[in-house]
Amino acid sequence: GDSVTQMEGPVTLSEEAFLTINCTYTATGYPSLFWYVQYPGEGLQLLLKATKADDKGSNKGFEATYRKETTSFHLEKGSVQVSDSAVYFCALSDAGNTPLVFGKGTRLSVIA
Amino acid sequence: DADVTQTPRNRITKTGKRIMLECSQTKGHDRMYWYRQDPGLGLRLIYYSFDVKDINKGEISDGYSVSRQAQAKFSLSLESAIPNQTALYFCATSELVADTQYFGPGTRLTVL
Repeated sequence: GDSVTQMEGPVTLSEEAFLTINCTYTATGYPSLFWYVQYPGEGLQLLLKATKADDKGSNKGFEATYRKETTSFHLEKGSVQVSDSAVYFCALSDAGNTPLVFGKGTRLSVIA
Repeated sequence: DADVTQTPRNRITKTGKRIMLECSQTKGHDRMYWYRQDPGLGLRLIYYSFDVKDINKGEISDGYSVSRQAQAKFSLSLESAIPNQTALYFCATSELVADTQYFGPGTRLTVL
């Protein structure tokens, strides 16, 4: 079945460092890909998404490109801030009536 | 006002008790979901509903039941709570299945 694998955390970075969180997927069709973020004490919220190969999703300085050839959707940000400290989830949705499949999440801590 | 609300936000109960967690949404979405979040395990789908008359089991439905009282309301019940059901529970909604999900703030449940 469909699955998502993302790098294990926690990830600790200094403010203004470059961030990459790796995400790879397995799917039978041509899924849509998502990154969700969960700030402390809150529910998940959509950060960005891409619906077809080579699409780039972006929001709040974060970017991810849908790479069909490597089945990847890595999350990047050029300069992280303390306020980016959160848990990040990669997810996919395949065609049809299948709900989102989530990765296990990666906790990011940014220190000043 | 929040689009997806969950009650209660926190609950401590004892083994064997019946517990109901409630979810309401004002987004007008037909699709609703219940997830469980445990440290290191990410989000796991318990049940989902495509409309009032449609209920589907997710990955970990054993020990849980649901009721879709109306388009806007989707309740999760633990008929006889056990300690390993201690977790954070999230409700979510979406307009389409393969689409962005909107999450509630979560219910932290502790079973002693």
